[in-house]
Amino acid sequence: AQKVTQAQTEISVVEKEDVTLDCVYETRDTTYYLFWYKQPPSGELVFLIRRNSFDEQNEISGRYSWNFQKSTSSFNFTITASQVVDSAVYFCALSEAMSNFGNEKLTFGTGTRLTIIP
Amino acid sequence: DSGVTQTPKHLITATGQRVTLRCSPRSGDLSVYWYQQSLDQGLQFLIQYYNGEERAKGNILERFSAQQFPDLHSELNLSSLELGDSALYFCASSADRNSNQPQHFGDGTRLSIL
Repeated sequence: AQKVTQAQTEISVVEKEDVTLDCVYETRDTTYYLFWYKQPPSGELVFLIRRNSFDEQNEISGRYSWNFQKSTSSFNFTITASQVVDSAVYFCALSEAMSNFGNEKLTFGTGTRLTIIP
Repeated sequence: DSGVTQTPKHLITATGQRVTLRCSPRSGDLSVYWYQQSLDQGLQFLIQYYNGEERAKGNILERFSAQQFPDLHSELNLSSLELGDSALYFCASSADRNSNQPQHFGDGTRLSIL
């Protein structure tokens, strides 16, 4: 069975500090996808990134960066120079490889509530 | 804007009642997924439809059912509602296997059972 663990329930940092959100996953599949979604106070789920299991390159997008390490089954998310607008709940998710019927269902972690203090 | 439309945004009803949540996927997306977000269970997959046919089932109660219509919109029907069904229900859509697009979520329907 697939499982995603986000051990950090809540994190608070002062604006402009860097913060890393941890994500550890379990799966028996050799091919899978990892995701991060952001849920701001307004409630919608915003897609941030998808990474497949064969691509261990780190990715950077502006102030966001992701570190994927298969050896430790982790897919951590770092926000550099945090801003108040980054305050949200962040979810890490896992899915099996795409089948003939499209993307597979997502298994979500419990989320990390990030609060950026002005 | 994800392109996935969910209606209504809010729904308040009483125990024992039945409601229907509606989802219009992004243009061109064949798969529709339903998820439930509650305080005690977190975000959980309920069911997936692909091009009108049920593809996968998750932790969906027997009181709940869904369908996807020929125009690809989907409805989630919740019946004999209980207080514990109060949650945020999300719909997501994705394209076929040849697409490089991930699942995109609608804004959700917040269901409150009184």
